[in-house]
Amino acid sequence: DVQLVESGGGVVRPGGSLRLSCAASGFTFDDYGMSWVRQVPGKGLEWVSGINWNGDSTFYADSVKGRFTISRDNAKNSLYLQMNSPRVEDTAMYYCAREPTSGWYHFHYSTDWGQGTQVTVSS
Amino acid sequence: QSVLTQPPSVSGAPGQRVTISCTGSRSNIGAGFDVHWYQQLPGTAPKLLIHGDSIRPSGVPDRFSGSKSGTSASLAITGLQAEDEAEYYCQSYDSSLSGSRVFGGGTRLTVL
Repeated sequence: DVQLVESGGGVVRPGGSLRLSCAASGFTFDDYGMSWVRQVPGKGLEWVSGINWNGDSTFYADSVKGRFTISRDNAKNSLYLQMNSPRVEDTAMYYCAREPTSGWYHFHYSTDWGQGTQVTVSS
Repeated sequence: QSVLTQPPSVSGAPGQRVTISCTGSRSNIGAGFDVHWYQQLPGTAPKLLIHGDSIRPSGVPDRFSGSKSGTSASLAITGLQAEDEAEYYCQSYDSSLSGSRVFGGGTRLTVL
């Protein structure tokens, strides 16, 4: 079974930094693109970032471009999201999600999701 | 304000049929981009329900179906069951937003 387990969330001050991790198992990690999607408690979903199978192609929502960096380590079956200069409005549950193919395409979807890690940006 | 518009809530009695609409524009659904649907049970992560407008992943009951026409898409649930009570989200791609995946605001389904 596909398993995606996020970690690294917590409370961070505005302007600080935080690194989220996602440990993948149950499938061949480097056969798939990956995404991060966030959800403000009680609100809707917002796509944050995507990456293809080998990390050569990365994509970001305008709201996080220039502040967040997505990366992956296929040897460790892990996905990461480096959050620099977070803002109060970045407070949300962050989900790691698997793509249906090795690429990452805007018109695609996420087939499997982790349980999320909560990030709170507060002074 | 979401790019894709969903009704905040719908409801139905067990056994009934309900539909959830997802209204977009010419830069997303109307441009022919696929619509995907997710189900989020209370306190859990989203789960893929429908992809490519109307394709059910393995394991999703055939009570769930998707369709698309013009600038709108719909999710239909027949034979409503108590366990269908959840939040439902549509998702597509919008070519006018620096190329971005977009979600609807979500629809809360209540089984009466």
